[in-house]
Amino acid sequence: GAGVSQSPSNKVTEKGKDVELRCDPISGHTALYWYRQSLGQGLEFLIYFQGNSAPDKSGLPSDRFSAERTGGSVSTLTIQRTQQEDSAVYLCASSITSGSTGELFFGEGSRLTVL
Amino acid sequence: KQEVTQIPAALSVPEGENLVLNCSFTDSAIYNLQWFRQDPGKGLTSLLLIQSSQREQTSGRLNASLDKSSGRSTLYIAASQPGDSATYLCAVFNGNQFYFGTGTSLTVIP
Repeated sequence: GAGVSQSPSNKVTEKGKDVELRCDPISGHTALYWYRQSLGQGLEFLIYFQGNSAPDKSGLPSDRFSAERTGGSVSTLTIQRTQQEDSAVYLCASSITSGSTGELFFGEGSRLTVL
Repeated sequence: KQEVTQIPAALSVPEGENLVLNCSFTDSAIYNLQWFRQDPGKGLTSLLLIQSSQREQTSGRLNASLDKSSGRSTLYIAASQPGDSATYLCAVFNGNQFYFGTGTSLTVIP
């Protein structure tokens, strides 16, 4: 596609439910990042995929969070047993390479509200 | 660990003024620096990308400079317009991770 696509744009769920957020990166981009942005806060790194390499999961806040990237393209971020503190905007970004020329492009985000 | 700071946190200027936003980083071993704009409720839009070997980049009314040795970058906006009102973020890339500042919230008053 023309840009990074995320779905859903908005998700309201009840505490304890599982949610899945989807990211479709720009075609040909090998690097894919997930970030979280809480209200009025900066970006918090969650996870990074580069090609077929093992992902960098160092930013995941707990074992309730997981992500996968199928076929080196679409990625799904899963939050199990959601808590109210998980409420935030989840942003996905992709880059053509993890090398020095990489320019990062973001999707519009998925706003998660946990009641 | 790389730390990125943006000053000021908020800025309000009358329409037509030129302005400068600042970004500083603690580790000069970067591959590139990127400036973004974020409108309320939206994702980040890339404005300018400066490679580590470059000193500046220009796009329209925007000019970004990079002084890697001193760990500083500036974003210069000429002849500001109300449509420039947004939060501006800078990010540095170390070849693996991007490190973001917390942004400068800009309001341009008509």
